[in-house]
Amino acid sequence: GNSVTQMEGPVTLSEEAFLTINCTYTATGYPSLFWYVQYPGEGLQLLLKATKADDKGSNKGFEATYRKETTSFHLEKGSVQVSDSAVYFCAYTPDGSRLTFGEGTQLTVNP
Amino acid sequence: EAGVAQSPRYKIIEKRQSVAFWCNPISGHATLYWYQQILGQGPKLLIQFQNNGVVDDSQLPKDRFSAERLKGVDSTLKIQPAKLEDSAVYLCASSLGHQGSEAFFGQGTRLTVV
Repeated sequence: GNSVTQMEGPVTLSEEAFLTINCTYTATGYPSLFWYVQYPGEGLQLLLKATKADDKGSNKGFEATYRKETTSFHLEKGSVQVSDSAVYFCAYTPDGSRLTFGEGTQLTVNP
Repeated sequence: EAGVAQSPRYKIIEKRQSVAFWCNPISGHATLYWYQQILGQGPKLLIQFQNNGVVDDSQLPKDRFSAERLKGVDSTLKIQPAKLEDSAVYLCASSLGHQGSEAFFGQGTRLTVV
């Protein structure tokens, strides 16, 4: 069936390091892809999204490109900050319904 | 713009008791979701409504869980009777419901079953 798999954590980086969190999906057609973030003590919020192949979503220095050929939507940031410490969730929906999440990746950024 | 409102924020009950959670989505959002998030895991969809109709409840444990969305606005999720493994955060989210639309989440209700 349809699913999304993301890189297991936790991930610990030093400030200004490069971040990659992998996400791959299995789905037919052209799903919409999302990255959500959950900061400590806060609710889930959308970080970025892409709705068609080769689209690049970006926000707060984070980027992810919708790669149809590799069914991937990897999250990247060139220089992480302590304030980026959070849990990151990859998610997709095949048709605007049934928003499905990965298991989450805990990111800790040390000063 | 007001966000998704959920109550209560926290609830502790004994096993075999019942509990209900309430959600008020963002005005105008046709789609409403209930998710269960167990500590250390991603949110798992329990039920999805489109207006006041159920779109997907395939992962809802119907022997103990029920949900309704009267008049296509507010929604309640009930557990009766609760089990220890129901301890989790219950998240409500809403969206406009079309392809690519963002889901907005409430703060969640943290349920502890003892």
